[in-house]
Parts: sequence; C-alpha cells; structure tokens
Amino acid sequence: GAGVSQTPSNKVTEKGKYVELRCDPISGHTALYWYRQSLGQGPEFLIYFQGTGAADDSGLPNDRFFAVRPEGSVSTLKIQRTERGDSAVYLCASGTGLAGAEQFFGPGTRLTVL
Amino acid sequence: AQSVTQLDSQVPVFEEAPVELRCNYSSSVSVYLFWYVQYPNQGLQLLLKYLSGSTLVKGINGFEAEFNKSQTSFHLRKPSVHISDTAEYFCAVSDKNSGGSNYKLTFGKGTLLTVNP
Repeated sequence: GAGVSQTPSNKVTEKGKYVELRCDPISGHTALYWYRQSLGQGPEFLIYFQGTGAADDSGLPNDRFFAVRPEGSVSTLKIQRTERGDSAVYLCASGTGLAGAEQFFGPGTRLTVL
Repeated sequence: AQSVTQLDSQVPVFEEAPVELRCNYSSSVSVYLFWYVQYPNQGLQLLLKYLSGSTLVKGINGFEAEFNKSQTSFHLRKPSVHISDTAEYFCAVSDKNSGGSNYKLTFGKGTLLTVNP
C-alpha cells in the first residue's frame, strides 16, 4: 500500500513569505505527527494530531507556525512570515496511535528560506 | 522530559566487520525505545523497537539492540556489516505513559555509519 507522502519535496521561498507543506498519511492512521529536522540534528517534535484535533502543539516554535487536519486525514503545516532559521526538512509521520506502535515517516519537505 | 544521546556522530567501518552504535537516554518516566535508519535520499524507517520483556530485540537487516535499564542504554549492534548498511541511524524514545495516545518521539542527533570496502 501507499506510504506517507509529502508535497512539495522541495520548497524555496523568500524571507517573509507564507508557505504551506502538505502531508498525506497512510489511510486509516488516526495519529499524525510533524517533526522538523535541521542540518546535523535529529528530528524534533512539532505537533501531534489525534483525528482532527491538535492534541499536542507544544513543539511549535512560535505563533508563526500552525497546522490543521480538518477531516482527520491530510494535514497542512503553515508557516507565516518565514525566516531563514525556518530552513529545515519538515517530516510527517502517521501511525495507529497505539502504545509503542511504529510511526511511518514520509520523505520530508526540504524548506529553504532565502 | 526525555533526552537521547548518541555518543558517536560518525562511525566508519570496513565491510564484514562488527559494529556497535551507542545510545543513552535520560528520562523521568518509563520509555519505549526505537532505532530508525535513514538511507541516503530516503525517509526514516524503523529498524527495531523495545517495548517490554526480553531486553535483547532483533530487527530488520540483521541488526539487534539490547536494553540496559541500569545504564539507561540501548546500543545497536550488527555482527557483520555490508556496504548497503551505510546510512544515518537515529535512536529515539517515547513516553510509555503518555496522556491519551500521544507517543511523540524524542530523537538523538544521529550516527552516520559508513561501511567501506
């Protein structure tokens, strides 16, 4: 079956612009996570959805970052007024939400802010 | 809160040699432990995980890891590596008793394993 997909694979934008990053999870997975991976670092948690609601957004760095999952499937991460420090690979993962269950990762979106 | 330390940022080895990638964690709560692998230009893929029970867990591609509670370690091992094992390896933990079903992962910085002929 299809895995987690993310679009676009690459996004180059200018400082101050708005960007949207999309994640299509594995069908039937209720848990959806966003992570950010900066160069030379491991992925860092941003936000968790259980169904349609953001159950934990404690990892979002500031209020320029926002994410939605309106129908409990596709999720969009939105970044306003982008800054050069936002440049990173943004990873999406989905899972069943069961204890200890595997999270399945997408290939990521590489965001470059010039 | 949890933290994960991968002591080696890079590990070069020759083909068919054994390898150990080290991982230590710090947590005030019980955790699940994971190793993920990221091959060049690919997404993260689960290698193995420890949830409970036997402290030695076996994963894909001949990898295994041992959970040591007293040392808070979860080192990854393979007795004989192949060129194709060249990749970045990430150790991660999640809170066993999270509220609801939020099992967000805390990752280490990764270890780049390079297998040379």
